[in-house]
Amino acid sequence: QVQLVQSGAEVKKPGSSVKVSCKASGGTFSSYAISWVRQAPGQGLEWMGRIIPILGIANYAQKFQGRVTITADKSTSTAYMELSSLRSEDTAVYYCARDVVVVPAPFDYWGQGTLVTVSS
Amino acid sequence: DIQMTQSPSSLSASVGDRVTITCRASQGISNYLAWYQQKPGKVPKLLIYAASTLQSGVPSRFSGSGSGTDFTLTISSLQPEDVATYYCQKYNSAPWAFGQGTKVEIK
Repeated sequence: QVQLVQSGAEVKKPGSSVKVSCKASGGTFSSYAISWVRQAPGQGLEWMGRIIPILGIANYAQKFQGRVTITADKSTSTAYMELSSLRSEDTAVYYCARDVVVVPAPFDYWGQGTLVTVSS
Repeated sequence: DIQMTQSPSSLSASVGDRVTITCRASQGISNYLAWYQQKPGKVPKLLIYAASTLQSGVPSRFSGSGSGTDFTLTISSLQPEDVATYYCQKYNSAPWAFGQGTKVEIK
């Protein structure tokens, strides 16, 4: 059974960085890509970026270019999303989600979400 | 970048009603279109992919159609447990954009 388990809630100061983890189990980590999607309070879903762990290649939404870094550790089947220069508008639930690498595919499994609160 | 636009943004219907949600892509995306259901306080759940293929375990009252730029999600007979926000998503290539969501409520 595939599971994506994310790290716990974070409270951060404006200007700081946050790093959220997403540990995969029950599947072959190298066969999948991991995306990060965020949802601000009362708002919709926003794709931030994606990594193919077996290649170590990441791409990012233009909105987050330069501020987000997505990495993956194949040895622990864990993906990470680090967002820097945090501002209040970054307060959101951050989800990781999985899709297949070899063909275009939707997100079939999601992490439970990590609430990041940015407040002074 | 391709933009995804859903309509309506919200709707209210009675139990048993047929409900239709539309999603339009600003450029053609073939059938690389998925629909997700997100219940309040919950994680999004994949309902339909490839525009019309039902994900395993999803009730048959849900269906999808369309190709190219225009897509539709239909709930044939609305049930109380269908109260949720529904999102379309393109997944043919980066960026994996979502529509803004359609909130479905019971009248």
